[in-house]
Amino acid sequence: AQSVTQLDSQVPVFEEAPVELRCNYSSSVSVYLFWYVQYPNQGLQLLLKYLSGSTLVESINGFEAEFNKSQTSFHLRKPSVHISDTAEYFCAVSDLPNTGFQKLVFGTGTRLLVSP
Amino acid sequence: DGGITQSPKYLFRKEGQNVTLSCEQNLNHDAMYWYRQDPGQGLRLIYYSQIVNDFQKGDIAEGYSVSREKKESFPLTVTSAQKNPTAFYLCASSTVWQGAYNEQFFGPGTRLTVL
Repeated sequence: AQSVTQLDSQVPVFEEAPVELRCNYSSSVSVYLFWYVQYPNQGLQLLLKYLSGSTLVESINGFEAEFNKSQTSFHLRKPSVHISDTAEYFCAVSDLPNTGFQKLVFGTGTRLLVSP
Repeated sequence: DGGITQSPKYLFRKEGQNVTLSCEQNLNHDAMYWYRQDPGQGLRLIYYSQIVNDFQKGDIAEGYSVSREKKESFPLTVTSAQKNPTAFYLCASSTVWQGAYNEQFFGPGTRLTVL
C-alpha cells in the first residue's frame, strides 16, 4: 500500500525567504507524484506533477519539486515566497494507471504561513 | 466556463438527520470522486464512480451513500450512521483514459457541521 508523509504540519517563513516543504512516499511500484495547494475554504488546485522524464518539475508561480527515487522524496521548494503563497500544501502519490482509475493517496498537509 | 460546482458551501444539520451534498460538473468527465478532509488528516476517498450507474467504495465509505444517475452529477448523502460527519467535503472529476494520466479537478467544497 502506498503512503505519503509530510512531517511538517506548519512552516512559518518571512516574505522573500526561501522555503522547502518536505514529502516522502512509500510505494513498491512506480508512481506519479503531485503537489496540490489549497487556499482557505477552497478546493484543491494542482500545483505541479511528476509523471516521467526530468526529475525536476516547475510550476508557473516559481515553485519547483524534485523527484528523488533513492530517497523516495518529492520536496517542494521556492527560492523567495510571497504573502500570497500562504496556503496549505498537500503532497500526493498514485500508481501508474493500468486502468482509467487512479487512486490518489494524500499526505496530511503542510500549512505555509508567510509573514511580512 | 467549465468546472465543478458544489452546493451549498456551508451546511448545518442536526444530529440524526441525513443530508445530501450536491456535486455537478460540466467538464464531460466520466469519473467523479468524493473526498473527506479533516484537520491534520489530509484527504480520504469516500466513493468514486467511473461511469454512470456504477460506483465503488473508497477507504471510508461507512455511513455514506452515493448515486450516479447522470454523467454530470454525483450527489453524496451523509447518513445518520456516520459517527463523525463534521468535515470539509470535496468533489472531484477526471477523464478515465486507460494507461494514461487522468488529472483530478476539484470543486470548491462543502463544509458540513453537525450541531
